[in-house]
Amino acid sequence: DAGVIQSPRHEVTEMGQEVTLRCKPISGHDYLFWYRQTMMRGLELLIYFNNNVPIDDSGMPEDRFSAKMPNASFSTLKIQPSEPRDSAVYFCASSSLEGEKLNIQYFGAGTRLSVL
Amino acid sequence: AQKVTQAQTEISVVEKEDVTLDCVYETRDTTYYLFWYKQPPSGELVFLIRRNSFDEQNEISGRYSWNFQKSTSSFNFTITASQVVDSAVYFCALSAHYNQGGKLIFGQGTELSVKP
Repeated sequence: DAGVIQSPRHEVTEMGQEVTLRCKPISGHDYLFWYRQTMMRGLELLIYFNNNVPIDDSGMPEDRFSAKMPNASFSTLKIQPSEPRDSAVYFCASSSLEGEKLNIQYFGAGTRLSVL
Repeated sequence: AQKVTQAQTEISVVEKEDVTLDCVYETRDTTYYLFWYKQPPSGELVFLIRRNSFDEQNEISGRYSWNFQKSTSSFNFTITASQVVDSAVYFCALSAHYNQGGKLIFGQGTELSVKP
């Protein structure tokens, strides 16, 4: 099975530009999560979806951040406009409620974002 | 409120030493899951173990073992005969809601350095 796939792996952009991060969850998983990792704040949940519907976006830092999941195999996290403080590693993860792997989140390799 | 505390920020050992990583959690839920993830220098997050709140049996997997004690709200991780490849940041995490797909609250992580 392919794991969670994120793209791009690295993104360097200038302040004010729009940034779009992409994620393909594991096939059959019905939960998808976006996390951000920084030195100061550690790993923090931004938003998660169940069956393509956003369930909890209380971790989204501000209106500049938005996330969508148009279908079961694709999600985006968009930052517009980007700011230097958005520089971080962004992880996508997916999970399922079924079977032995109940509630185990599998993570993508992450996108390292640098906003100059 | 849910919280995970990893009091050890950094640990340094010499190869073949045993090392224990501490994890203390807080939750008011009676049903919950505890996890350990490994983040090697390459940056990905690798799932190691999941434990549910009803199963206090210790678990051993090769050189890895986990000690879950509800009485002290702890879920400690021991690596026996450590190796250089064990060098990584280790995260303890809590998931307290069955129907949230494993929404995770992470500790701040413990950086383990194993020197040859």
